[in-house]
Amino acid sequence: SAVISQKPSRDICQRGTSLTIQCQVDSQVTMMFWYRQQPGQSLTLIATANQGSEATYESGFVIDKFPISRPNLTFSTLTVSNMSPEDSSIYLCSVTGGSGNTIYFGEGSWLTVV
Amino acid sequence: AQSVAQPEDQVNVAEGNPLTVKCTYSVSGNPYLFWYVQYPNRGLQFLLKYITGDNLVKGSYGFEAEFNKSQTSFHLKKPSALVSDSALYFCAVRDSSASKIIFGSGTRLSIRP
Repeated sequence: SAVISQKPSRDICQRGTSLTIQCQVDSQVTMMFWYRQQPGQSLTLIATANQGSEATYESGFVIDKFPISRPNLTFSTLTVSNMSPEDSSIYLCSVTGGSGNTIYFGEGSWLTVV
Repeated sequence: AQSVAQPEDQVNVAEGNPLTVKCTYSVSGNPYLFWYVQYPNRGLQFLLKYITGDNLVKGSYGFEAEFNKSQTSFHLKKPSALVSDSALYFCAVRDSSASKIIFGSGTRLSIRP
């Protein structure tokens, strides 16, 4: 399985600011996914990030609010822009690996917006 | 469209008893099915998956799950529960022709001593 590191692990952010979350994988992967888990909720896919192309966003998520970079096959960033308290969530980076394209997750970035 | 349902928000079991966490799914093609566990203040850990082959799959921590195509179910089971199994469990599904995985709403498993 892939080892996925996310930074920051936790942060408290001021309303109106932006924060960039980094995701580093210990092996080259084609597809990386960013999920959001709001308090007490399940996971919702924000976007799929492929190296060398624009990220593909799910319904309800837009690039202006959640810009994503994917400069190489082991790294991606997600920025949460102009944050509001509703953005308080766990943001999880994930990659596919192994046979059958199992998805593996990082430990998540726990953001609280005040 | 693909979807997955976990009908129980919470499951309570006494330690040592068998446990079952239910999951049903809907996909247009062949399903790839997964179970993940989330311990408090942690990310998601992969438990097990069904891709093809034997309907009973075994995973981490003594868990297993049975794929039932006719009932479109993939229930998670363990013969003897431990207090340390208390966590949030997510079922997930992916259509074999799709790239993204859809997660269920989660079931909180509580094992009492």
